[in-house]
Amino acid sequence: EVQLVESGGGLVQPGGSLRLSCATSGFTFSNYWMSWVRQAPGKGLEWVAHIREDGSEKYYVDSVKGRLTISRDNAKNSLYLQMNSLRAEDTAVYYCARVGRWPYYYAMDVWGQGTTVTVSS
Amino acid sequence: DIQMTQSPSSLSASVGDRVTITCRASQSVNNNLNWYQQRPGKAPKLLIYTASSLQSGVPSRFSGSGSGTDFTLTISSLQPEDFASYYCQQTYSIPFTFGPGTKVEIK
Repeated sequence: EVQLVESGGGLVQPGGSLRLSCATSGFTFSNYWMSWVRQAPGKGLEWVAHIREDGSEKYYVDSVKGRLTISRDNAKNSLYLQMNSLRAEDTAVYYCARVGRWPYYYAMDVWGQGTTVTVSS
Repeated sequence: DIQMTQSPSSLSASVGDRVTITCRASQSVNNNLNWYQQRPGKAPKLLIYTASSLQSGVPSRFSGSGSGTDFTLTISSLQPEDFASYYCQQTYSIPFTFGPGTKVEIK
């Protein structure tokens, strides 16, 4: 069974840092692009970032560039999101998602259950 | 960035009803348009990819159509488990923007 399990969320003060992890199983992790998507309380979905299979390409939404960094460890079948200089507007549930291979054309076909990040003093 | 809009933002319908949700992109996204369902407190679930391809395991009452800037998600006969929020997303250009969502509620 394909599984994505996020961890690392919590309460952090503005300006603080947090590292999210996504442990995967049930598929060949190194064959897939991976994404982070977030959802602020009571709001819609926002694509945050995604990373190529080998980590050589990374893309971000403008609002997180320079503060959030996506990475992966294919030996550990894990995806990460390093979050620095956090702001109140980063408060959200963060989902790890697998990016489907052809013919999905970047549709996200498997999602984790999410981890909650709250930025507040 | 490509802006996505959806209509309606919410709707009330009965079990068995045919439901149509519309998604519009601010510029052409070819057929790189996906639909997700999100039940309350749950993670999103992929329903339709590349505008009209049904994701494996998704009931055939769900269908998608459109290309360019205008797209439609149709539920042919609404079931109790379909009461949820639905989001479109373009994966034509980065950032991969989502629509604001359509909440389908019980009448």
